[in-house]
Amino acid sequence: DIQMTQSPSSLSASVGDRVTITCQASQDISNYLNWYQQKPGKAPKLLIYDASNLETGVPSRFSGSGSGTDFTFTISSLQPEDIATYYCQQYDNLPLVTFGPGTKVDIK
Amino acid sequence: EVQLLESGGGLVQPGGSLRLSCAASGFTFSSYAMSWVRQAPGKGLEWVSAISGSGGSTYYADSVKGRFTISRDNSKNTLYLQMNSLRAEDTAVYYCAKATGSGWTTLGVFDYWGQGTLVTVSS
Repeated sequence: DIQMTQSPSSLSASVGDRVTITCQASQDISNYLNWYQQKPGKAPKLLIYDASNLETGVPSRFSGSGSGTDFTFTISSLQPEDIATYYCQQYDNLPLVTFGPGTKVDIK
Repeated sequence: EVQLLESGGGLVQPGGSLRLSCAASGFTFSSYAMSWVRQAPGKGLEWVSAISGSGGSTYYADSVKGRFTISRDNSKNTLYLQMNSLRAEDTAVYYCAKATGSGWTTLGVFDYWGQGTLVTVSS
């Protein structure tokens, strides 16, 4: 099975800061990597698919990059409404889909 | 507007059974693969099962294989998860999630999620 790791597990940043989260796969997954946002008590929301494609309606301050085993998720200017846990998810090994452990983002 | 509404969760004893439902609206249900994803309290996301748009192909995580059965009724726009031989480690919020299409690779991208239904397995 493909294992996903994320770092950091949590972070605290100020409004307006640039925030970066990394995700690493245990083997090459090409660009079969998605990013989700989950606010407390809510369902996950798709933000980025295929490593770098912004889902319709998602603000442009969110972006993703990478391929192979190493991926990056960036919030260019952190906003109060971005407080959430962010998960990466691979789907190279269909039908088995695996999520990273999540990164909790807080406001400093 | 796409809507997914789960129901059927609750408290069940170890070894018991439960059937979850997910009522879908706002899209052509039969054209999209669907999945169940769960989240144990305070934990991360775990994919559980998936089913093709026609219902002819089903897939399961090893952790639930042989105990859970996914199905769908396209005439009722409803997805189901029959859960048998439940264990304490099955305690979680269960989400239904819509795939972005019907093709093989779209199986792994979830563009809409329901609000979830809580399943608690405890004596």
